Amino acid sequence: AQSVTQLDSHVSVSEGTPVLLRCNYSSSYSPSLFWYVQHPNKGLQLLLKYTSAATLVKGINGFEAEFKKSETSFHLTKPSAHMSDAAEYFCVVISNAGKSTFGDGTTLTVKP
Amino acid sequence: DAGVIQSPRHEVTEMGQEVTLRCKPISGHNSLFWYRQTMMRGLELLIYFNNNVPIDDSGMPEDRFSAKMPNASFSTLKIQPSEPRDSAVYFCASSGPGTSGRGEQFFGPGTRLTVL
Repeated sequence: AQSVTQLDSHVSVSEGTPVLLRCNYSSSYSPSLFWYVQHPNKGLQLLLKYTSAATLVKGINGFEAEFKKSETSFHLTKPSAHMSDAAEYFCVVISNAGKSTFGDGTTLTVKP
Repeated sequence: DAGVIQSPRHEVTEMGQEVTLRCKPISGHNSLFWYRQTMMRGLELLIYFNNNVPIDDSGMPEDRFSAKMPNASFSTLKIQPSEPRDSAVYFCASSGPGTSGRGEQFFGPGTRLTVL
């Protein structure tokens, strides 16, 4: 069995300040981990993925995430938030068998 | 590339009617996924196919739901009979060959279903 816990349902930051969206996972095997972003009334877009290569993964729009096996975490960060980053973010784990499990999502609000 | 194509984009129907949602994956992709998104339950994987074969349908809520993939370029999700609690946004996604479904999933724009 696998699961994903996004520790914050809402995160609010000011424009230009750092962003931290937290994700913990559990999996019986070495999982593939992803972060997706969903803007209002839109589909989901991949931000970045971890598939057992480098533990620090860089994605689009300045986002990055670090895989920490000992902490079973895959937190998403960005040094400086932009207004256009306001969206919902999903952490996803995919098992060896290809089954995907999404976290409940974190809504990021960026204040001017 | 046109990306994943879903139709219709919006569907409004009355309780008890049959609903069919359609998906065309990205050409060359061999894994296809159906998801449902609601405020209450978030994003749920309903079923996924690899090489047109259903691999895991444990997320399908009940027998009213069925999915088919008759060929590599087309899949349907059918609800019969539909109920108001089926109202949701249904997403289709596909991923490329050689990943066995573990690679990046490309999502379609979704079908917003409202059952009155």
